[in-house]
Amino acid sequence: DTAVSQTPKYLVTQMGNDKSIKCEQNLGHDTMYWYKQDSKKFLKIMFSYNNKELIINETVPNRFSPKSPDKAHLNLHINSLELGDSAVYFCASSQGAPGEEQFFGPGTRLTVL
Amino acid sequence: ELKVEQNPLFLSMQEGKNYTIYCNYSTTSDRLYWYRQDPGKSLESLFVLLSNGAVKQEGRLMASLDTKARLSTLHITAAVHDLSATYFCAALSSNYKLTFGKGTLLTVNP
Repeated sequence: DTAVSQTPKYLVTQMGNDKSIKCEQNLGHDTMYWYKQDSKKFLKIMFSYNNKELIINETVPNRFSPKSPDKAHLNLHINSLELGDSAVYFCASSQGAPGEEQFFGPGTRLTVL
Repeated sequence: ELKVEQNPLFLSMQEGKNYTIYCNYSTTSDRLYWYRQDPGKSLESLFVLLSNGAVKQEGRLMASLDTKARLSTLHITAAVHDLSATYFCAALSSNYKLTFGKGTLLTVNP
């Protein structure tokens, strides 16, 4: 009965590869988010979807592409991985409009070698 | 662009002592959040502060918001080891983005 879940928890891959991270929430929330936490623990929003519609698209490389097949799922696909992509990626969700209290998933630690 | 500054970034406390973490933000914000993160773990929501003068308390933690000063504080009373974690404040901008501070790494020593 995990509220916001992410898979995989750990992802180790080589530069140049393409990988995906999946996120699911069973809270019935309308809005989902992707955040990146770097090695200094700084958290920055990447994307947000509200009812499957992209509403926040921060300045991230276009190698990153989010996809929301339905409002309970938000996946993150990353093409041509680079060393600098190594970080912890958190998915979050919130009820109603963006700006409500956000609940975070367990995180996916991505290591690019 | 909304900027959020926390201080201190590192805080080493003795058990039983009191201390305050400060969170300043640069432009008007409707909401201020405090989160806790344990090492290798996710972020846990602690407080949501919605209006000027809002004060919320949970156990040994108390958060307050002064929107005129663009300042929120997280006060720790009689610290215990279990409170050791990284604490983040985050402010909501007018375009609904949550901007986080850099976090305060709190270590409570016996």
